[in-house]
Amino acid sequence: EVQLVQSGAEVKKPGESLKISCKGSGYRFTNYWIGWVRQMPGKGLEWMIIIDPGDSDIRYGPSFEGQVTISVDKSISTAYLQWSSLKASDTAIYYCARGRGPSYGWPFDFWGQGTQVTVSS
Amino acid sequence: DIQMTQSPSTLSASVGDRVTITCRASHSISDWLAWYQQKPGKAPNLLIYKTSSLQSGVPSRFSGSRSGTEFTLTISSLQPDDFGTYYCQQYNSFGGGTKVEIK
Repeated sequence: EVQLVQSGAEVKKPGESLKISCKGSGYRFTNYWIGWVRQMPGKGLEWMIIIDPGDSDIRYGPSFEGQVTISVDKSISTAYLQWSSLKASDTAIYYCARGRGPSYGWPFDFWGQGTQVTVSS
Repeated sequence: DIQMTQSPSTLSASVGDRVTITCRASHSISDWLAWYQQKPGKAPNLLIYKTSSLQSGVPSRFSGSRSGTEFTLTISSLQPDDFGTYYCQQYNSFGGGTKVEIK
């Protein structure tokens, strides 16, 4: 059974750094792109960033390049999303999700449970 | 980047109704258009990929089609479990969402 399990909720102050995780299981981790989607309170889905765990090829969504960093640790089938300096506007639920196919462009067929990130002074 | 414009933003329909949601791309795109359903407090669920392919486990009352740059999700006979917000997606862009309510 394919599963993506995300790390728990975080409460941070503006300016702090943060790294959240997404552990895949039930499939060959390096065979499928894995991405992150933001959902701000009461708002729609925003496509942020995606990585090919096999070769670390990265693609960005509109407005997210330079704002976040994505990485993977293939040895533990885990993807990460990282901020160097959080802002209050980063408050949102962040979902990781697996690309349905082996190349960029496939939609997301399995999703993590979401990680709530709250940034407040 | 491609902009995806969904309509309507909300709709209310009765059980058994045929429901149509539209997603228009800002310029000509491939068939790499997907549809998701999201229920409150839950992660999205993939319904349709490559414009008209039904994701495994999704009821056959859901279907997708295309005419030029306009993509359509159709629910042939709305069921009580079909409430939620529906999103289209193409490459690195989601549409704004359509909230479906059951009358």
